[in-house]
Amino acid sequence: DIQMTQSPSSLSASVGDRVTITCRASQGISNDLAWYQQKPGKVPKLLIYAASTLQSGVPSRFSGSGSGTDFTLTISSLQPEDFATYYCQKYNSAPRTFGQGTKVEIK
Amino acid sequence: EVHVVESGGGLVKPGGSLRLSCAASGFTFSSYSMNWVRQAPGKALEWVSDISGSSSDIDYADSVKGRFTISRDNAKNSLYLQMNSLRAEDTAVYYCARGPCSSCRFPFDYWGQGTLVTVSS
Repeated sequence: DIQMTQSPSSLSASVGDRVTITCRASQGISNDLAWYQQKPGKVPKLLIYAASTLQSGVPSRFSGSGSGTDFTLTISSLQPEDFATYYCQKYNSAPRTFGQGTKVEIK
Repeated sequence: EVHVVESGGGLVKPGGSLRLSCAASGFTFSSYSMNWVRQAPGKALEWVSDISGSSSDIDYADSVKGRFTISRDNAKNSLYLQMNSLRAEDTAVYYCARGPCSSCRFPFDYWGQGTLVTVSS
């Protein structure tokens, strides 16, 4: 099975910072990669699909890139509402594995 | 508007069984695959199982294979997860999530609020 590895596991950043989270697949998954945001006690929210396509309603400060095995989620200017845990997921075939998550905390 | 609502969680003893349900509305249920995803307390999301719109394709995570059974009733717009031989490590919030349409490649766009399953003696 393909494993999804995110880095870092957590990071501290300030409002206005540029934040980058990496997700690596153990085998190529084309661009079938999604990013989700989850705030404490809340349901995961789809941010990006097809590695770089923003889901409707998601602010443009979020962007995604990559293909094959290496992917990146970037928040261009961190806002207070962006402090959350972010997960990548391969969704092209089962098992539809999630990464272990990256917690973005306030510095 | 799309809605998915889980029910059926609760406290169960190790070795016991539980059946989760997910009621869907606001979309053509039979045209979409559906998924169960769980999250143990303080842990990451874990995909559990999925079922295609026609029930012809079903997959399970290795951690639940042989113990859990996913099913759906398109006439009732409902998804189910029968969980047998439950273990302490199955303790989690279980989410129902909509997958892609039949000919689509798309992740999980609508999620329920989740139902808590606690396995403890």
